[in-house]
Amino acid sequence: AQSVAQPEDQVNVAEGNPLTVKCTYSVSGNPYLFWYVQYPNRGLQFLLKYITGDNLVKGSYGFEAEFNKSQTSFHLKKPSALVSDSALYFCAVRDSNYQLIWGAGTKLIIKP
Amino acid sequence: EAGVAQSPRYKIIEKRQSVAFWCNPISGHATLYWYQQILGQGPKLLIQFQNNGVVDDSQLPKDRFSAERLKGVDSTLKIQPAKLEDSAVYLCASSWTGDEQYFGPGTRLTVT
Repeated sequence: AQSVAQPEDQVNVAEGNPLTVKCTYSVSGNPYLFWYVQYPNRGLQFLLKYITGDNLVKGSYGFEAEFNKSQTSFHLKKPSALVSDSALYFCAVRDSNYQLIWGAGTKLIIKP
Repeated sequence: EAGVAQSPRYKIIEKRQSVAFWCNPISGHATLYWYQQILGQGPKLLIQFQNNGVVDDSQLPKDRFSAERLKGVDSTLKIQPAKLEDSAVYLCASSWTGDEQYFGPGTRLTVT
């Protein structure tokens, strides 16, 4: 069965420090992977995706994600965190019906 | 381009009452999704449309929930009668390529 795991419920980072939000997946075949962000009282916003090609994917707001096939991971990263990055982050993988299988979400808190 | 529109943004009803949500996807997007998101959790797919046909409604509680997408554009999701456990945010999303989904702001439903 296809699944996505986000092992951390919450990640705390000081402003200006690098951040990583972890995601691992289990799929059959080649994975189509996504990161979304949800700000309070807002809908989900697409950040970036991995379909094929370069393992380092760049997305919106300075975020990037590294695809690692051997570790079945797709961790979200940013070199220097901003307080405004504080939000709920979801990792997802697309299944054969073009549906997204979602992780449980990770709350990212950036402290000034 | 305009994003996914949803209305209303907030709704409070008593249990056993009925409620309807409306979604207008991004122009040209053939695929439309309705999700239910409980606070602190990832979205749960309720129904997926491709144009005006249903692709998957396996997780839609059909005894009380119904959805339609007439003419393959706008869609409505109805709950009748509502239960306390239906309190959630209802998200609509649309997609062109089947890759990234674009989400509306959601409707926050409170059932009392």
